[in-house]
Amino acid sequence: DAEITQSPRHKITETGRQVTLACHQTWNHNNMFWYRQDLGHGLRLIHYSYGVQDTNKGEVSDGYSVSRSNTEDLPLTLESAASSQTSVYFCASSESGTGSLQQYFGPGTRLTVT
Amino acid sequence: RKEVEQDPGPFNVPEGATVAFNCTYSNSASQSFFWYRQDCRKEPKLLMSVYSSGNEDGRFTAQLNRASQYISLLIRDSKLSDSATYLCVVNTMPNDMRFGAGTRLTVKP
Repeated sequence: DAEITQSPRHKITETGRQVTLACHQTWNHNNMFWYRQDLGHGLRLIHYSYGVQDTNKGEVSDGYSVSRSNTEDLPLTLESAASSQTSVYFCASSESGTGSLQQYFGPGTRLTVT
Repeated sequence: RKEVEQDPGPFNVPEGATVAFNCTYSNSASQSFFWYRQDCRKEPKLLMSVYSSGNEDGRFTAQLNRASQYISLLIRDSKLSDSATYLCVVNTMPNDMRFGAGTRLTVKP
């Protein structure tokens, strides 16, 4: 069965370190997304990609970067982790198209920055 | 003002009760609307899309009021398994989804 996975599921890191969260999907979806979820804010879009070599900034992109070298993977990098980036991070994917299509979410990564 | 606002709850209801959630959105250009369900510490999953004419899926009914810019979700005959957080999602541009903070529902025996 097709799926979307994230790793690690839990991560503790120190302020100032670079951290990369992995996202891998076997749906063969062109669209991939990264969100963070914080209490009281719901999910907020960090970055998204519509295909290989395409990346776009979302609502809360400062301090984060992504790269898309293949269809399956969209790693999220925190260049210099800050305590404000302690959050739960969800990756999602959807089919191509101009319509509003269902997004399938990974299980999430809980990141703590100390 | 947040783009998508929901009553955070919690809503505590007995089994068999009917419960309704509302969600308001600020962007009148919004095109598509959804309800997602999120269980504790799990990923969100699509519950249902919301169509202009309203739609029903078993015990769940979703309504859209474009004039007043709100959507609603009605759950009839609540089950223990309905306990979750319900996220309102509004889409203005393709693939630009804005999530509400969620409404927490607990169904008690």
